[in-house]
Amino acid sequence: TQLLEQSPQFLSIQEGENLTVYCNSSSVFSSLQWYRQEPGEGPVLLVTVVTGGEVKKLKRLTFQFGDARKDSSLHITAAQPGDTGLYLCAGPGGGADGLTFGKGTHLIIQP
Amino acid sequence: GAGVSQSPSNKVTEKGKDVELRCDPISGHTALYWYRQSLGQGLEFLIYFQGNSAPDKSGLPSDRFSAERTGGSVSTLTIQRTQQEDSAVYLCASSLGRDLSLHFGNGTRLTVT
Repeated sequence: TQLLEQSPQFLSIQEGENLTVYCNSSSVFSSLQWYRQEPGEGPVLLVTVVTGGEVKKLKRLTFQFGDARKDSSLHITAAQPGDTGLYLCAGPGGGADGLTFGKGTHLIIQP
Repeated sequence: GAGVSQSPSNKVTEKGKDVELRCDPISGHTALYWYRQSLGQGLEFLIYFQGNSAPDKSGLPSDRFSAERTGGSVSTLTIQRTQQEDSAVYLCASSLGRDLSLHFGNGTRLTVT
């Protein structure tokens, strides 16, 4: 089973600050995804990265896939309260044809 | 509908009773997934359907769990003789074929008392 370790587990910062959360594995992934989940809702896909070294930007969010395709990071610039949520990384390998998920980073942005 | 629909949104049941959870995927999505999310445990893969077939049922936690999908659309997850450790949020997701861009429903929160 391919495992994805996410860090930190919890992060609480002030509005306007920058932050980075990480997703690491000892296994190589063909692709990695990042999802955001808000309380009472299902996860929502933010981005898929497929090429080692790839960087994708989504407004204030920057996603990077490691050169060796074993890790990924999510950087948020000038965090806003609307960024609050559980950030999950996922990669192929959860069961025969599913995704395996990390346990997530709980992010709280305080006004 | 526009998204994945799950019902009920909340279910409280007594230990030993059977429960049925329903998932209505996005129209045209051939792949359907069930996950379980417990506090501190992340998302646990349960089962995957391609059309009406489930190639791999090994993720189901015990033989009390079963799932079916009919007409390539609606799926039901059945838990027999529920136990307290079954308490969790059960999430359903669908995707267009095998592209693994999952669209999740809002889940069913199951509480076994």
